[in-house]
Amino acid sequence: TQLLEQSPQFLSIQEGENLTVYCNSSSVFSSLQWYRQEPGEGPVLLVTVVTGGEVKKLKRLTFQFGDARKDSSLHITAAQPGDTGLYLCAGGRAGTASKLTFGTGTRLQVTL
Amino acid sequence: KAGVTQTPRYLIKTRGQQVTLSCSPISGHRSVSWYQQTPGQGLQFLFEYFSETQRNKGNFPGRFSGRQFSNSRSEMNVSTLELGDSALYLCASSSWDRGYVGNSPLHFGNGTRLTVT
Repeated sequence: TQLLEQSPQFLSIQEGENLTVYCNSSSVFSSLQWYRQEPGEGPVLLVTVVTGGEVKKLKRLTFQFGDARKDSSLHITAAQPGDTGLYLCAGGRAGTASKLTFGTGTRLQVTL
Repeated sequence: KAGVTQTPRYLIKTRGQQVTLSCSPISGHRSVSWYQQTPGQGLQFLFEYFSETQRNKGNFPGRFSGRQFSNSRSEMNVSTLELGDSALYLCASSSWDRGYVGNSPLHFGNGTRLTVT
């Protein structure tokens, strides 16, 4: 059972466009992480958010944790081909940093 | 600092056989966890080891087992392989022991791609 649903599942956009990826759950998580995975590689952590309502910015990427800590969003401004990859959200529970529940994934392709 | 190393990168096995996958964590990391990634189910947590003890376990059958050695290296074993076990198996290490998780992220290896025929 997938507890974290991501939308959209696939996204193909042109360089310079903005986009938002959503991560929704009916469960409360104590932390929410976003990863990016490229073909043939493992996921790489982008950010961890732990406080409801928290917003973190990483250059052109903005991450938000919902007030109720059940949902999150990732916004990319002026997408670049280097942003191409599989974006995964992952929820963590209190007392463990390793047992994460991963989302269904959003595959992003940015073309010139 | 070297990253998480998983061996082998690719493996082809036949139904009914068993397989052992290896993971060397980042130096100093005592937590090693294993995940299975498939197109249908995504990334699913298998188990976590910390200081040679299994600390957390996911919802996988007993055919999936693991262990951790005193140098924190870990192995994962799958017995009586089934076609559905074909997947990318990812290992991740962390320095997390307790407390705030934000300072101890998971570092993933590049995985072992297992194909069961």
